[in-house]
Amino acid sequence: QVQLQESGPGLVKPSQTLSLTCTVSGGSISSGSYYWSWIRQPAGKGLEWIGRIYTSGSTNYNPSLKSRVTISVDTSKNQFSLKLSSVTAADTAVYYCARDRAAAGSYYGMDVWGQGTTVTVSS
Amino acid sequence: SYELTQPPSVSVSPGQTARITCSGDALPKQYAYWYQQKPGQAPVLVIYKDSERPSGIPERFSGSSSGTTVTLTISGVQAEDEADYYCQSADSSGTLFGGGTKLTVL
Repeated sequence: QVQLQESGPGLVKPSQTLSLTCTVSGGSISSGSYYWSWIRQPAGKGLEWIGRIYTSGSTNYNPSLKSRVTISVDTSKNQFSLKLSSVTAADTAVYYCARDRAAAGSYYGMDVWGQGTTVTVSS
Repeated sequence: SYELTQPPSVSVSPGQTARITCSGDALPKQYAYWYQQKPGQAPVLVIYKDSERPSGIPERFSGSSSGTTVTLTISGVQAEDEADYYCQSADSSGTLFGGGTKLTVL
């Protein structure tokens, strides 16, 4: 059974770059038809989609964050990563990674999620 | 910009039926997905493609679609169903979540 685990610094200074990694276990990140997504949730607020990378390497980003976001994949480590530049306090949130199932032109939703990791932006 | 609109809160008594709506102009052309999130936990997919239920999700969870509104229905609500529920739509360019609905079981 596929499991996801986020990792990275819990504290980032304003104006710096937030970097998180999601490690995939129980399956290969490059097999099957999946998107690999990042989602965040500020305390007490709703879910915000950040972006995703497909198994082919193509990416989609939330237009509101696109200028600051990069998502990449390292198939040798079975990991995908998020970089968010020029962070401010508004980027403080729980960050989740998730697997989106997609096959034969159909999308089936985010069926596997990591437990989430809290990132605080503060000096 | 495109949005998915959900009521902030819904309250029901145990054993009753809860209905949570999600409205969006693109919903006639896109499927909707529903997630349940309990405090301190990651979201869980409970409905995909408007009305399909993933394995392991109780039969009391169902989904439907009509025009620009999709509805998550929980029949015979149990105390354990108290949670936040989020709708989602997706297309080739990305994904959007609704603002979430807090379901309170009285």
